[in-house]
Amino acid sequence: GQSLEQPSEVTAVEGAIVQINCTYQTSGFYGLSWYQQHDGGAPTFLSYNGLDGLEETGRFSSFLSRSDSYGYLLLQELQMKDSASYFCAVRALYSGNTPLVFGKGTRLSVIA
Amino acid sequence: DSGVTQTPKHLITATGQRVTLRCSPRSGDLSVYWYQQSLDQGLQFLIHYYNGEERAKGNILERFSAQQFPDLHSELNLSSLELGDSALYFCASSPATDTQYFGPGTRLTVL
Repeated sequence: GQSLEQPSEVTAVEGAIVQINCTYQTSGFYGLSWYQQHDGGAPTFLSYNGLDGLEETGRFSSFLSRSDSYGYLLLQELQMKDSASYFCAVRALYSGNTPLVFGKGTRLSVIA
Repeated sequence: DSGVTQTPKHLITATGQRVTLRCSPRSGDLSVYWYQQSLDQGLQFLIHYYNGEERAKGNILERFSAQQFPDLHSELNLSSLELGDSALYFCASSPATDTQYFGPGTRLTVL
């Protein structure tokens, strides 16, 4: 089986930095992904880590430590439009294939 | 716009009824995934199809079924609907990478 744990809510101030953590348990590991979902919208891909270390894409960075089964999403220079839910996801083994399985999401509120 | 389309956008029906949700993947993507998202819940993986074949089943109820057609569009059939089936249903398509592209979703309300 597999499970992912991430905080349910985070609040941060505009212009600040926020880190959203994700710990996972999965039989077989194939990478950790992050998705963003605005209220009423569809999830959109943010980043993927297949190997340990930091991946940077503009204001967003994602980190993975496979030995700790842990990763995080770092959002810098927060903007009001970053208020959304953020999901970590791992590829999990189902019937010999590895679809994405998502955590329950972290709702980020950016305040002025 | 992800390139994935889903119809209808909204669906309101009664308990015990049957509905069909439709998804067209991005051009060139062979994989289609279906997810259910209930209020305050994450995305629950339902089922994965690849080039017309079922590849993986997740938390999909026996009342639910899906298929992928030769033109790669997919349909999710939900029958004997219950109040608890009210949710957002997303499909996603994927090339042979770890990125999934989600459609806008179908909001199902069962009254």
